[in-house]
Amino acid sequence: SYELTQPPSLSVSPGQTASITCSGDNLGEKSACWYQQKPGQSPVVVIYDDNKRPSGVPERFSGSNSGNTATLTISGTQAMDEADYYCQAWDSSTVSVGFGGGTKLNVL
Amino acid sequence: QVQLVQSGSELKKPGASVKVSCKASGYTFTSYGINWVRQAPGQGLQWMGWINTNTGNPMYAQGFRGRFVFSFDTSVSTAYLQISSLKAEDTAVYFCAREVLTMGYRFDPWGQGTLVTVSS
Repeated sequence: SYELTQPPSLSVSPGQTASITCSGDNLGEKSACWYQQKPGQSPVVVIYDDNKRPSGVPERFSGSNSGNTATLTISGTQAMDEADYYCQAWDSSTVSVGFGGGTKLNVL
Repeated sequence: QVQLVQSGSELKKPGASVKVSCKASGYTFTSYGINWVRQAPGQGLQWMGWINTNTGNPMYAQGFRGRFVFSFDTSVSTAYLQISSLKAEDTAVYFCAREVLTMGYRFDPWGQGTLVTVSS
């Protein structure tokens, strides 16, 4: 299976920028996406194809992917952004989907 | 709107079987594959595999071969996950999710999840 690594947690103050990283072998050669999951809810896509936002996702969410690292950036973080965030990518060499272990974003 | 609605929570004894359903609406069922994802209590997301709803071909991730079976019924636009010989460590929320292929591969939308509890 394809392994992706995320920091377990990140804390930011409201209004600050949160950057969550996701590392994997040659991840920059694949397309990464990011999910937000709030307690008791299903995951929701916030970024796909490295840097595209689905309709309805606020502009403060952005993404990038280069080398071995994909990054989810939340500018002007709000209290409502407190959630778990997961990166995900498809790896054709292992024919598998990899998820990162998840990052708990605390806004305090 | 595109929606996946899963069956309700299940409480099963070790050694029993369970079948979780995932009913799709708002799109052509056979045009998109269905993936299954497990989330153990307090843990992250684990991809279990997927089923091609056009060809019927399933693909199982490592660790999910043998006791896990993906199936579907196109007449009711519903996918199924069956788990046999349940163990305590199978206790988890199981999600179905529609695959969407663009440059990458993403899951959108997800079902609401089905909690399967295995306990004697």
